[in-house]
Amino acid sequence: DQQVKQNSPSLSVQEGRISILNCDYTNSMFDYFLWYKKYPAEGPTFLISISSIKDKNEDGRFTVFLNKSAKHLSLHIVPSQPGDSAVYFCAATGNSGNTPLVFGKGTRLSVIA
Amino acid sequence: NAGVTQTPKFRVLKTGQSMTLLCAQDMNHEYMYWYRQDPGMGLRLIHYSVGEGTTAKGEVPDGYNVSRLKKQNFLLGLESAAPSQTSVYFCASSPIAGGSSEQFFGPGTRLTVL
Repeated sequence: DQQVKQNSPSLSVQEGRISILNCDYTNSMFDYFLWYKKYPAEGPTFLISISSIKDKNEDGRFTVFLNKSAKHLSLHIVPSQPGDSAVYFCAATGNSGNTPLVFGKGTRLSVIA
Repeated sequence: NAGVTQTPKFRVLKTGQSMTLLCAQDMNHEYMYWYRQDPGMGLRLIHYSVGEGTTAKGEVPDGYNVSRLKKQNFLLGLESAAPSQTSVYFCASSPIAGGSSEQFFGPGTRLTVL
């Protein structure tokens, strides 16, 4: 059973507009949520994270929103740029030392100039 | 700092052959991980290590073995490769596990098993 779900395999957005990537989770024991970005032929790189005690975390053009009651989080990119075109993975983990990250299947974002 | 490096970058094997993938990190991280990425499947954890001399199974451990004899190295072995093991393999490391601890990924190894 998939614990972290990214139901949109792909998303296309015009340059300058907002990109919204969604993620749902089923395990209520998850305490932290992270977003990773992956370009072709490279390893994933960390983008932004949020603790379950917060509902929003912002870093420049990237904002992550967490709705614990709905077990849903979203990543907003404003404004979107062509260099943001990549695969974005949502991941979740617990707070203990031996809790590995659980990844979603990813969403491929294409920002069109 | 090189971060996380993986050797080799590409490899083609025949069914039944064996090989070892090497992961090295120079950040003095305690935790290391091996993932595989398949189309439409995201990243799935194969094995991980919480410190030198320790290993643990992840989500998809069958057909793989690992060793962490030195803190900076994490080896992934395939004793008898199968076509189902065709994938891109990523190694990662982190200073701690859980919480907001970021994992640092290597560039990946693309393995094809014929």
